[in-house]
Amino acid sequence: RKEVEQDPGPFNVPEGATVAFNCTYSNSASQSFFWYRQDCRKEPKLLMSVYSSGNEDGRFTAQLNRASQYISLLIRDSKLSDSATYLCVVNGGGSYIPTFGRGTSLIVHP
Amino acid sequence: GAGVSQSPRYKVAKRGQDVALRCDPISGHVSLFWYQQALGQGPEFLTYFQNEAQLDKSGLPSDRFFAERPEGSVSTLKIQRTQQEDSAVYLCASSLGAHFMDSNQPQHFGDGTRLSIL
Repeated sequence: RKEVEQDPGPFNVPEGATVAFNCTYSNSASQSFFWYRQDCRKEPKLLMSVYSSGNEDGRFTAQLNRASQYISLLIRDSKLSDSATYLCVVNGGGSYIPTFGRGTSLIVHP
Repeated sequence: GAGVSQSPRYKVAKRGQDVALRCDPISGHVSLFWYQQALGQGPEFLTYFQNEAQLDKSGLPSDRFFAERPEGSVSTLKIQRTQQEDSAVYLCASSLGAHFMDSNQPQHFGDGTRLSIL
């Protein structure tokens, strides 16, 4: 079983839809969590950190569920420009090596 | 520059050749990571530097892979006797502090080097 797992998708949604992705992790001692966005043939870029209490940045909401060992990303009012791959990253827990999921592909269509 | 810079952007080499990939991190960033990303996959950790010290190289796939950061700034990833399975995008990322002390800090990625081995 991989340390960090994501559904690769693609998630195909119309503009204006709400979409959510989950990312599960296996190391219960993990300490830091992030969502990155990666456009096709581009580098990953930080979207948001994920805090224990959950956090929101505009249309994006990130949640952490330690009991079930997953993080989530909710995107409201999807835009065409949200089309990308969303990577979750898990740090810590006895290792400082960041572990990436394989990414979830989102396609927002008109 | 303001961001992480990698060169070359694209590299094509014949099987058996040696290649060298360069990473110029954000000025003042202590931590530097190298990753390998295959198509459709997330980045896979290769090696980590804190300043000039290579603290972890557990992700390097074989002894053909070698990385250095002699002055704690620019880093080079070298692959000797390249094989077709080395074809991938090689990403470099830097972060401000020492990652093993504070993993709660984001990484800043370069554009990557797309390596193709023929």
